[in-house]
Amino acid sequence: DAGVIQSPRHEVTEMGQEVTLRCKPISGHNSLFWYRQTMMRGLELLIYFNNNVPIDDSGMPEDRFSAKMPNASFSTLKIQPSEPRDSAVYFCASSLRVRYNEQFFGPGTRLTVL
Amino acid sequence: TQLLEQSPQFLSIQEGENLTVYCNSSSVFSSLQWYRQEPGEGPVLLVTVVTGGEVKKLKRLTFQFGDARKDSSLHITAAQPGDTGLYLCAGAPNTNAGKSTFGDGTTLTVKP
Repeated sequence: DAGVIQSPRHEVTEMGQEVTLRCKPISGHNSLFWYRQTMMRGLELLIYFNNNVPIDDSGMPEDRFSAKMPNASFSTLKIQPSEPRDSAVYFCASSLRVRYNEQFFGPGTRLTVL
Repeated sequence: TQLLEQSPQFLSIQEGENLTVYCNSSSVFSSLQWYRQEPGEGPVLLVTVVTGGEVKKLKRLTFQFGDARKDSSLHITAAQPGDTGLYLCAGAPNTNAGKSTFGDGTTLTVKP
């Protein structure tokens, strides 16, 4: 079975541009998580969904960030407009909720905002 | 907010040495996971512990959950360069918790 798929793997953009990160969770998993990882702040949870419904978005930094999950096999994280401080590695993870919240992570998207 | 503190933050050892890293909290967790993350990749699940006092072994890695389910340790025997990576612990407050709390991790370097 394929793992969590994220695209793109690398994104370089200029300040002010819109960035869209994409995630395909593991088939059958019913929870999806978006994280951001930096050296300074470690792994931060941005938002998570259960059965395609956003449950907790308290980690979303500000209104420039938005996430959607239109169906069980696809989610997006959008940053508009992007800023240099958004530069980080963004991870998507999925889990089968009844399994102790064991999460399976994608390879990440490394975002650089110039 | 439940916090997980990991120690040490950094550890550099020679191949063949043994080591232990710790994950501590003042909160009780219904389950705790350990992940390993290699450079350029996402964290990979190693193990889940759920019962106080539980010990699980994965080849040279031994994981223990504290009796009170507030802390955990990871012991590696005869470390190898392939063990190099960031080790993260994550705890869930209850079985059906929607999210886990992650520690800041221990960066392990095993020199050949």
